[in-house]
Amino acid sequence: KNEVEQSPQNLTAQEGEFITINCSYSVGISALHWLQQHPGGGIVSLFMLSSGKKKHGRLIATINIQEKHSSLHITASHPRDSAVYICAVSRSNYQLIWGAGTKLIIKP
Amino acid sequence: NAGVMQNPRHLVRRRGQEARLRCSPMKGHSHVYWYRQLPEEGLKFMVYLQKENIIDESGMPKERFSAEFPKEGPSILRIQQVVRGDSAAYFCASSPSGDEQYFGPGTRLTVT
Repeated sequence: KNEVEQSPQNLTAQEGEFITINCSYSVGISALHWLQQHPGGGIVSLFMLSSGKKKHGRLIATINIQEKHSSLHITASHPRDSAVYICAVSRSNYQLIWGAGTKLIIKP
Repeated sequence: NAGVMQNPRHLVRRRGQEARLRCSPMKGHSHVYWYRQLPEEGLKFMVYLQKENIIDESGMPKERFSAEFPKEGPSILRIQQVVRGDSAAYFCASSPSGDEQYFGPGTRLTVT
């Protein structure tokens, strides 16, 4: 079993829909990261969380340390949100353990 | 404050040649990490460096791969005698304190 599990693996939605991507982990962590990777593109760090909730524009990330679970939400989704969203956890100060990613497609 | 810079963005090498990938961290960041993403796979940690020191190279292949982060200038990931299996995207990240990592755009290496 992978130490970081993401669901769903693939998600297709209509523009405007509320999107939720989930991440569960089975190890003790110091922080959890959400990252975005566009096709053929680089990686953008969206959030780093160690507790609670963070919001940036239409993106919201939450984490429940006791349940070892995090969610990434996108409100009012738009086709430009189409990307792979990756959850990764930090166990030490540096090494990240990566989830497999969720491929999101938003249709106009 | 410019983000993490990587160059070149695309690099084509023939088998047996050397590949040099550069990473300029964000201003004020003294921690650099290199990751490799093979086609259709997730990122894999390769090496963690601080200025002039290799902290952890547990993810680096034992042969042909080396990394440095000199006192002045960018971090360099060097691959000698490249093989087709080295074709991948190589990402660099930097951090001010060894905590939150900021990623560069990546270098896509193609070995022909």
